[in-house]
Amino acid sequence: GESVGLHLPTLSVQEGDNSIINCAYSNSASDYFIWYKQESGKGPQFIIDIRSNMDKRQGQRVTVLLNKTVKHLSLQIAATQPGDSAVYFCAENIAGGTSYGKLTFGQGTILTVHP
Amino acid sequence: NAGVMQNPRHLVRRRGQEARLRCSPMKGHSHVYWYRQLPEEGLKFMVYLQKENIIDESGMPKERFSAEFPKEGPSILRIQQVVRGDSAAYFCASSPRGESDIQYFGAGTRLSVL
Repeated sequence: GESVGLHLPTLSVQEGDNSIINCAYSNSASDYFIWYKQESGKGPQFIIDIRSNMDKRQGQRVTVLLNKTVKHLSLQIAATQPGDSAVYFCAENIAGGTSYGKLTFGQGTILTVHP
Repeated sequence: NAGVMQNPRHLVRRRGQEARLRCSPMKGHSHVYWYRQLPEEGLKFMVYLQKENIIDESGMPKERFSAEFPKEGPSILRIQQVVRGDSAAYFCASSPRGESDIQYFGAGTRLSVL
C-alpha cells in the first residue's frame, strides 16, 4: 500500500526577509551542533557549526544561536534568497564515549523563499 | 579537492539480491560515516569507521548489513538479501578527525528494491 510520510515543519518567506529556523535537542550531553542544508536529490551541505562553550556564532548571512538552558538551537538567515529554499536540519554530537562520531539529526524544516 | 564520492547514484535491486554501496572520502579524511534517510525524514546514523576499524555500529541492523573501510580503496556498505524496507537514500560522510568534527556528505545512493 501507499506509505504516508511525515509532514515536516515549513517556513515560507519573501525574498529579502530574514528567516529563523528552530531546533530543539534532547540530550544535555551534546556538545557540538551543526546546521545542514539539503536540496532535493542532494546530500546535506554544511552551513555552520557551534560548540557548547559558545552561545552565538556568525557566518556569511547566517547566525546560529545556542541556548543550553532550554536545549534550543536556531539558525538565522539574513536577506533570504530563492537559492536558500531547501530542507534544513540541525544535528548534534555527544562528546566522549563510544558515540562521539555519531551525529543525531532533527526532523528538518522546509524553507520556501518566494521571489 | 574532490568531495565525498558515492557510487552508484541510483541502484535498483530485486528482493533477495545484494546491494553494494561505495564511498570514497575526501582527500585526507580517515573517518567515514554511513547514514540512511527515508522520505521526509532526517538522516539516521548507521555506522562509523576508520581505516580497517569499525568504531561504532550501533545504528546498523544486526542482520544482512555490513560495512568495511579497507586500508586501500573505498568504504563499502553491503546489504545482503535486500527487502523492500531497505529502499532509502544512503549517505556517506567523512571528516579529518572523529570527535566533534564537521562531517562532509556525499550525494548519496538511492536504493530501490523491487
